[in-house]
Amino acid sequence: NAGVTQTPKFQVLKTGQSMTLQCAQDMNHEYMSWYRQDPGMGLRLIHYSVGAGITDQGEVPNGYNVSRSTTEDFPLRLLSAAPSQTSVYFCASSYAGGLDTGELFFGEGSRLTVL
Amino acid sequence: SQQGEEDPQALSIQEGENATMNCSYKTSINNLQWYRQNSGRGLVHLILIRSNEREKHSGRLRVTLDTSKKSSSLLITASRAADTASYFCATDEYGNKLVFGAGTILRVKS
Repeated sequence: NAGVTQTPKFQVLKTGQSMTLQCAQDMNHEYMSWYRQDPGMGLRLIHYSVGAGITDQGEVPNGYNVSRSTTEDFPLRLLSAAPSQTSVYFCASSYAGGLDTGELFFGEGSRLTVL
Repeated sequence: SQQGEEDPQALSIQEGENATMNCSYKTSINNLQWYRQNSGRGLVHLILIRSNEREKHSGRLRVTLDTSKKSSSLLITASRAADTASYFCATDEYGNKLVFGAGTILRVKS
């Protein structure tokens, strides 16, 4: 099993450009989520999904879109990149949903720089 | 806003010593989890403790949870250089949101 796979690992964008960060998991997890990690601030939840066709906002959703057409994939779209979106992005999945968020399995991260 | 806050922000100890990290949170939780992150890597789950549990062990790890004080601690016994990493607590708020603190940076010197 590959676990959670994120692509690309590194990306440089110019302000105003759009792009999609890809996330795929092969563990048949219903729950998937995106976090961003900034120095000294830990991880902040951007969007999450409890199953195909269902998404919801986290703590910092502005400027990002998600969709969940399959159980395996949960792409994160940056609509018009801004320097404030320079960060490391992590995708994570879990077997659990409902009232219990179980153990999260993380990808290796995608480092995004917006100039 | 962040739910959990770890203390201390950074900790430096000698190999063989014990390391204790604390986490405080603000609202009722379903469970609390601890994760480790090695530099430049993704987070790895260490242990999950539910709101009706007070203590849990996993190898050299011991986690306690005090829901009356809204706090948790992670104890790593007999630390090794390989334990050098950042450690995060994460609280499971009802509603499918796992909220992370800012983390404790642990350095174990050999």
